[in-house]
Amino acid sequence: DAKTTQPPSMDCAEGRAANLPCNHSTISGNEYVYWYRQIHSQGPQYIIHGLKNNETNEMASLIITEDRKSSTLILPHATLRDTAVYYCIVRAHSSNTGKLIFGQGTTLQVKP
Amino acid sequence: GAGVSQTPSNKVTEKGKYVELRCDPISGHTALYWYRQSLGQGPEFLIYFQGTGAADDSGLPNDRFFAVRPEGSVSTLKIQRTERGDSAVYLCASSRGPGGYEQYFGPGTRLTVT
Repeated sequence: DAKTTQPPSMDCAEGRAANLPCNHSTISGNEYVYWYRQIHSQGPQYIIHGLKNNETNEMASLIITEDRKSSTLILPHATLRDTAVYYCIVRAHSSNTGKLIFGQGTTLQVKP
Repeated sequence: GAGVSQTPSNKVTEKGKYVELRCDPISGHTALYWYRQSLGQGPEFLIYFQGTGAADDSGLPNDRFFAVRPEGSVSTLKIQRTERGDSAVYLCASSRGPGGYEQYFGPGTRLTVT
């Protein structure tokens, strides 16, 4: 699986949009971009994933560049409860395995 | 509905002892994963079960670590002759299948080896 690069930390004001970048310049054509987050003392939680089109759900939006070498996770109106470590992961939908390879992630601190 | 549960939530053991960590996945989920998370790091994959069989155990660090899932539901991670370096949070996740299905994580078991 391809590796990803994320900034180690970011701050965001409560109520503002949080934009979390991720670089995945070695992504393969069959690999998807996944985002999980981990709130302190909890297990990771799935947020969203996409292949090449932009995606939106009730939690967030995912913007993937046309060359697929980078993406941005957008939390449109961040709240204090969004303070967490956010992981960007790329993986193929292989039928043989589904393991997630986590990096260091980005620690997002939402401030009042 | 019920999520993934793990027991115990905390386990303190002495170096050299044997420990078992239990995972109860979401009902009906055929895929089950174990991860280990050290302080300040992202989770690290250990082993993946599809049904009763270990389909990928490439992440197990050595032969002191072993996991079973005899009936395709509950799984137990077993660690023999524990070492201080085994101290970590052990996370379990389940999903409807392998590949692209969303993984649901439990709260983890914090293992401390003294």
